[in-house]
Amino acid sequence: DGGITQSPKYLFRKEGQNVTLSCEQNLNHDAMYWYRQDPGQGLRLIYYSQIVNDFQKGDIAEGYSVSREKKESFPLTVTSAQKNPTAFYLCASSPRDREAFFGQGTRLTVV
Amino acid sequence: GENVEQHPSTLSVQEGDSAVIKCTYSDSASNYFPWYKQELGKRPQLIIDIRSNVGEKKDQRIAVTLNKTAKHFSLHITETQPEDSAVYFCAAMYSSASKIIFGSGTRLSIRP
Repeated sequence: DGGITQSPKYLFRKEGQNVTLSCEQNLNHDAMYWYRQDPGQGLRLIYYSQIVNDFQKGDIAEGYSVSREKKESFPLTVTSAQKNPTAFYLCASSPRDREAFFGQGTRLTVV
Repeated sequence: GENVEQHPSTLSVQEGDSAVIKCTYSDSASNYFPWYKQELGKRPQLIIDIRSNVGEKKDQRIAVTLNKTAKHFSLHITETQPEDSAVYFCAAMYSSASKIIFGSGTRLSIRP
């Protein structure tokens, strides 16, 4: 079953903790993306990657980090430097010059 | 930097009427423009897309138009139905970097 999988679906973080959100795709897509969605808001780009071992900052990269060691995987770490991390996080992948396919999302809450 | 502006932020139309959502983009190098529909609590899903070498594309009740000179593109939904109620996002792809920038979204409500 092909697709893009995010885990966990819900995540709770204590203040000052780093947490990592998982994103895996078996679609053989080159590009992968992380977006943040706040209630009633649009999708803001955090990081994106065109190829393995390369990634670029999006519009709101501060307080986040990523890696792209494998084509299939693009994990996002929300660090303690991110002051307001509570949001819905969406991972996506796309073949070159094509639409993005989204995962189910991870809802992160700071407790 | 690259930017996509989307209007209106909310739209309410009578069932059976048409709905139009408009977007503008800043980077003239953009060449691919997808539209997504997001239902409550779910992931965005592609509903239609258009490339920069095409001025209009239609798929049943949904159509998209593109004006490259003005850097505008629009989504048109005709004969709206209750299941059209959702948030709609436009996007622009900057293909030189595989970067996809989204508009801020339009919450469409269909009144019975």
